[in-house]
Amino acid sequence: DTEVTQTPKHLVMGMTNKKSLKCEQHMGHRAMYWYKQKAKKPPELMFVYSYEKLSINESVPSRFSPECPNSSLLNLHLHALQPEDSALYLCASSQDSWGRNTEAFFGQGTRLTVV
Amino acid sequence: DAKTTQPNSMESNEEEPVHLPCNHSTISGTDYIHWYRQLPSQGPEYVIHGLTSNVNNRMASLAIAEDRKSSTLILHRATLRDAAVYYCTALGANNLFFGTGTRLTVIP
Repeated sequence: DTEVTQTPKHLVMGMTNKKSLKCEQHMGHRAMYWYKQKAKKPPELMFVYSYEKLSINESVPSRFSPECPNSSLLNLHLHALQPEDSALYLCASSQDSWGRNTEAFFGQGTRLTVV
Repeated sequence: DAKTTQPNSMESNEEEPVHLPCNHSTISGTDYIHWYRQLPSQGPEYVIHGLTSNVNNRMASLAIAEDRKSSTLILHRATLRDAAVYYCTALGANNLFFGTGTRLTVIP
């Protein structure tokens, strides 16, 4: 199984809503990532978890709150988002910290629309 | 952070080889060069990576310049399914950022 599964595939939420994005992998990977991608732009790194601990937070606003309940799961909790937060949110995982001679596997993403 | 520079777009005829260039002049000695591609409405997909030597796999070849300041992704026979945005990234321990990418169009 070389899949990273993200749910839901699409999400529409109001600015006062609270929602969560979920990501799951069963490859035994110890590093997991959240990226945000706007249309026609490259993915932008948001958070990195390494061995279930948050290791990188790219100055992401606190309305985005990541959580890693165990080594297979990664959540992104959303609260009080703005319309400009509408984007494709991508989850990825790798055997170890990406860059150490290891490839990353990406999910298909969650298309988020904030209204 | 090592930055990468790629042409915004390239075209290729179907079944011809494609050479996608990337400049990474600020790369450090321990940064790996990774290539990913992203098809429409999908997440990025790993293509190939290397450190110093040229690399081959079933998808592509990666040619790395001797000074490591540039690299070239080679698709040996482009197919319509290879139409995608190709990202070149120089990745180190804390450098996990994508470059701007090259949009490859394959002409039948």
